[in-house]
Amino acid sequence: ETGVTQTPRHLVMGMTNKKSLKCEQHLGHNAMYWYKQSAKKPLELMFVYSLEERVENNSVPSRFSPECPNSSHLFLHLHTLQPEDSALYLCASSQDRSASGANVLTFGAGSRLTVL
Amino acid sequence: GQQVMQIPQYQHVQEGEDFTTYCNSSTTLSNIQWYKQRPGGHPVFLIQLVKSGEVKKQKRLTFQFGEAKKNSSLHITATQTTDVGTYFCAGPVSGGSNYKLTFGKGTLLTVNP
Repeated sequence: ETGVTQTPRHLVMGMTNKKSLKCEQHLGHNAMYWYKQSAKKPLELMFVYSLEERVENNSVPSRFSPECPNSSHLFLHLHTLQPEDSALYLCASSQDRSASGANVLTFGAGSRLTVL
Repeated sequence: GQQVMQIPQYQHVQEGEDFTTYCNSSTTLSNIQWYKQRPGGHPVFLIQLVKSGEVKKQKRLTFQFGEAKKNSSLHITATQTTDVGTYFCAGPVSGGSNYKLTFGKGTLLTVNP
């Protein structure tokens, strides 16, 4: 157990479906992240929430919509995705250490998404 | 934009051999982090280096941060099959917020028992 729980672990969806990924952290952290991991590409930061406020949005297409109702929960709503969106979506959390400029990430196990 | 390059991309060793992966940034980093991802798993934080020239050890793993804070290395002595996985370095985006880390593509280590 990493302290960051993601559901579902695997998801297959058609391009017209609407689905959501869920993340919950039990570490008392105040920042949560969505990363995308595709084969042969570096980890890509998608969104960051700090104290439930979105602080980073990395030019992600609007078919991905994040939601952070509180500091322990993070969602990624998916709508009309494309096959190239198939990837491992990783949630992470951190305790903001702005003073030292070093936020260490604790990742969840990921949600493996396949878009048909 | 800022780039973090890692070499090699792949490394296959015999158990007991040493292994080193190198990380180079196009800009100076305030700190560098290393993560390990086992096959089918998720990245797990290993260590963070902050000071110029810093060297840290974790059992058989030795991490170094370059004097110019633009490069770093991870060296594993006498590899074991449990060392198999992808090792990523990551550094804060220059001029960006504390939340933005740029990850390298990683080095995949396989170990032949």
